[in-house]
Amino acid sequence: GESVGLHLPTLSVQEGDNSIINCAYSNSASDYFIWYKQESGKGPQFIIDIRSNMDKRQGQRVTVLLNKTVKHLSLQIAATQPGDSAVYFCAGGGADGLTFGKGTHLIIQP
Amino acid sequence: DAGVTQSPTHLIKTRGQQVTLRCSPKSGHDTVSWYQQALGQGPQFIFQYYEEEERQRGNFPDRFSGHQFPNYSSELNVNALLLGDSALYLCASSFGTGLGEQYFGPGTRLTVT
Repeated sequence: GESVGLHLPTLSVQEGDNSIINCAYSNSASDYFIWYKQESGKGPQFIIDIRSNMDKRQGQRVTVLLNKTVKHLSLQIAATQPGDSAVYFCAGGGADGLTFGKGTHLIIQP
Repeated sequence: DAGVTQSPTHLIKTRGQQVTLRCSPKSGHDTVSWYQQALGQGPQFIFQYYEEEERQRGNFPDRFSGHQFPNYSSELNVNALLLGDSALYLCASSFGTGLGEQYFGPGTRLTVT
């Protein structure tokens, strides 16, 4: 089955810097990937998604990169703000629904 | 425009009991998915309902069952509760069964003692 995980449990960045959160997946059949942001006490919030026929997609201050060769995707957040502090999950989608990784806690330092 | 709503917010049950959690999808959505999120972990897919039928199911035992009503709202039922069922239960709604953006509710925190 799908296995989706993140490289680091915690990422600390300075306010204003760019953040890069990484994720590796094992199931080559996954054809849809999503990044979610989860703040304390809330449900996951959709950030951006990408389909397997793409290698890059940009949103507002966020960019997702997909490297199918090494089964890796990343989330880049430009000019990180205090409000970006949260746990970030990558999720892979396929025939068995969405599979989430464990999450990376993004900490913003002033 | 109301988002996904879930009830109750918190729940405490005893081992062996049964519990029912409820979810109302975002306006315009017809598909509801349920997830279990243990502390410090990512959500795990339980099942998905569309047109009042279970369409997909994750690796959860039959103690976990659900229902979807004609108004697209959904219930998650868990029988014979175990301590390990303590978690945040998340409901997500979307349009159609294809891979698309899922909107999550705030979750129900279930504690089994």
